[in-house]
Amino acid sequence: DTGVSQDPRHKITKRGQNVTFRCDPISEHNRLYWYRQTLGQGPEFLTYFQNEAQLEKSRLLSDRFSAERPKGSFSTLEIQRTEQGDSAMYLCASRYTGGYYNEQFFGPGTRLTVL
Amino acid sequence: QKEVEQDPGPLSVPEGAIVSLNCTYSNSAFQYFMWYRQYSRKGPELLMYTYSSGNKEDGRFTAQVDKSSKYISLFIRDSQPSDSATYLCALYNFNKFYFGSGTKLNVKP
Repeated sequence: DTGVSQDPRHKITKRGQNVTFRCDPISEHNRLYWYRQTLGQGPEFLTYFQNEAQLEKSRLLSDRFSAERPKGSFSTLEIQRTEQGDSAMYLCASRYTGGYYNEQFFGPGTRLTVL
Repeated sequence: QKEVEQDPGPLSVPEGAIVSLNCTYSNSAFQYFMWYRQYSRKGPELLMYTYSSGNKEDGRFTAQVDKSSKYISLFIRDSQPSDSATYLCALYNFNKFYFGSGTKLNVKP
């Protein structure tokens, strides 16, 4: 399967713990996005990378959140000192900016539950 | 004000019905318009992609964009139970995608 993959698929943690999620984009895709989705809402932009450079972060992204994309391949999203309000689905998407379409391909998501 | 507004539904229709899903947006600079389908506990998948105003048809699906009214629609003809999912409209501008809240559709056999 050559689609976007995310790991883990589910994560249950206690409030105050740190968690890290991984996203492996489609191999030739140079742009990678992270989104958060809560029940009954659409994906909400968190941040995006062009290759290894993080170009924009949402104002909603507190300093407890950090993302990296070393070498422009996989990306990680870390949440420090988790809070119950962080419980959500975290989606990763990738796209190739050299094509005509602005199509992005989503991974299956990581569902985070903070107890 | 959110960039994109979408009626959350839920929308329940009998099999074979024509379904109309709609979104409104506020920023006239948007040029790219998309519809995604999302099954429960899965990531969204792209259904339709349109650039600027007009209609685009793909099988049973038709996407319509009216930039003068800032209104986009997705029509599903001959709806099937397998169409039951959440449908998200999305707009693209300045390297970012903006999503509606999604409309949950249930097609009853």
